[in-house]
Amino acid sequence: AIQLTQSPSSLSASVGDRVTITCRASQGISSALAWYQQKPGKPPKLLIYDASSLEFGVPSRFSGSGFGTDFTLTISSLQPEDFANYYCQQFNSYPTFGQGTRLEIK
Amino acid sequence: QVQLVQSGAEVKKPGSSVKVSCTASGGTFSNSAISWVRQAPGQGPEWMGGIISVLGRTDYAQRFQGRVAITTDESTTTVYLEVKSLRYEDTAVYYCARDIRPDLLGGPTWMDVWGQGTTVTVSS
Repeated sequence: AIQLTQSPSSLSASVGDRVTITCRASQGISSALAWYQQKPGKPPKLLIYDASSLEFGVPSRFSGSGFGTDFTLTISSLQPEDFANYYCQQFNSYPTFGQGTRLEIK
Repeated sequence: QVQLVQSGAEVKKPGSSVKVSCTASGGTFSNSAISWVRQAPGQGPEWMGGIISVLGRTDYAQRFQGRVAITTDESTTTVYLEVKSLRYEDTAVYYCARDIRPDLLGGPTWMDVWGQGTTVTVSS
């Protein structure tokens, strides 16, 4: 199975900061990557698919990039509601998820 | 827009089975793919498998082959996940989710609509 490694595993930031989360695949996956946001007690929420396509209704401060093995999720200006856990997921083969990045308020 | 409504929490003994349901509200699954994803406490999500009712096709992650069954009813409004031979480590929240799968003949892709989750606790 394709393994996804996210970094950092946790991150402290302030409202208004620009934040980048990285996801590295154990082998090339083209652009077959999605990003999700998850808050406690809730299911994951789709943010980005096909590495860089913004899901309908997701604020434009979220963006994704990358191809092959290295991908990033960027939040251009953190808002209070963005503090949550973030996961990448590949679908080049049967889906696997990264271990997550916890984004906390500084 | 279709919503996914799951059955309630379950407490099961080791070695028993559990069957969780996922019902489409505002539509059917007939032309959609549905995946099941579980999340153990403090862990990331884990894809278990999926079904495309119109093709009669199921896919399973290798580690769940033979122990998990995903089925749908004839009306294709409800999808089921059955997990057999439960172990303590199967304690998790189980989610159903719509798999977009632009090419129904292709493999699983990303998931845009999720159920609320069903907590399954395995305890003696």
